[in-house]
Amino acid sequence: EDQVTQSPEALRLQEGESSSLNCSYTVSGLRGLFWYRQDPGKGPEFLFTLYSAGEEKEKERLKATLTKKESFLHITAPKPEDSATYLCAAHNAGNNRKLIWGLGTSLAVNP
Amino acid sequence: EPEVTQTPSHQVTQMGQEVILRCVPISNHLYFYWYRQILGQKVEFLVSFYNNEISEKSEIFDDQFSVERPDGSNFTLKIRSTKLEDSAMYFCASKMGRESYEQYFGPGTRLTVT
Repeated sequence: EDQVTQSPEALRLQEGESSSLNCSYTVSGLRGLFWYRQDPGKGPEFLFTLYSAGEEKEKERLKATLTKKESFLHITAPKPEDSATYLCAAHNAGNNRKLIWGLGTSLAVNP
Repeated sequence: EPEVTQTPSHQVTQMGQEVILRCVPISNHLYFYWYRQILGQKVEFLVSFYNNEISEKSEIFDDQFSVERPDGSNFTLKIRSTKLEDSAMYFCASKMGRESYEQYFGPGTRLTVT
């Protein structure tokens, strides 16, 4: 069964304290691994797409990486405005193609 | 920057009533989606829509749900007879084309069924 698991469920960091969020996936024929940011009461905001193992993408303090089994979202020197829930989703292939979502990691960055 | 919009932002309805949630996807996008997110749970796929027909739907998307693109800009989700368990955030998303996998989401409609 296609599945996406994120860890940790919640993470509290001090401003400037770098860390990584994990997304483990098991999907049939990965067509893309997506990272989204979600603020409370809002829709997911697209951050990155990764298509193949070894690929990396960067945006400001965020860097996403991909292996054949998992993806990491590295946050370097976070600021309080980085506080949000970070969602990972994998797009499968074949019949019943769709985005399969993880539960997310709730990140709080304290000033 | 183009964005997906949704109305209303919050809808309160009584059990058994019909609701229509509305979305305006990004104008040059061709694929449209509805998702729901029950509080504290994962985002769940409901349905995808392309070329004026449903292309994929989940087991959640049963006969009480329907989607429509009544004109060139709106994309609607109708729930015929709402149940308490339909209370959730409903998100509309769109993507440009077949070879593009990035979906862009609207701000959501919070549906509360009492």
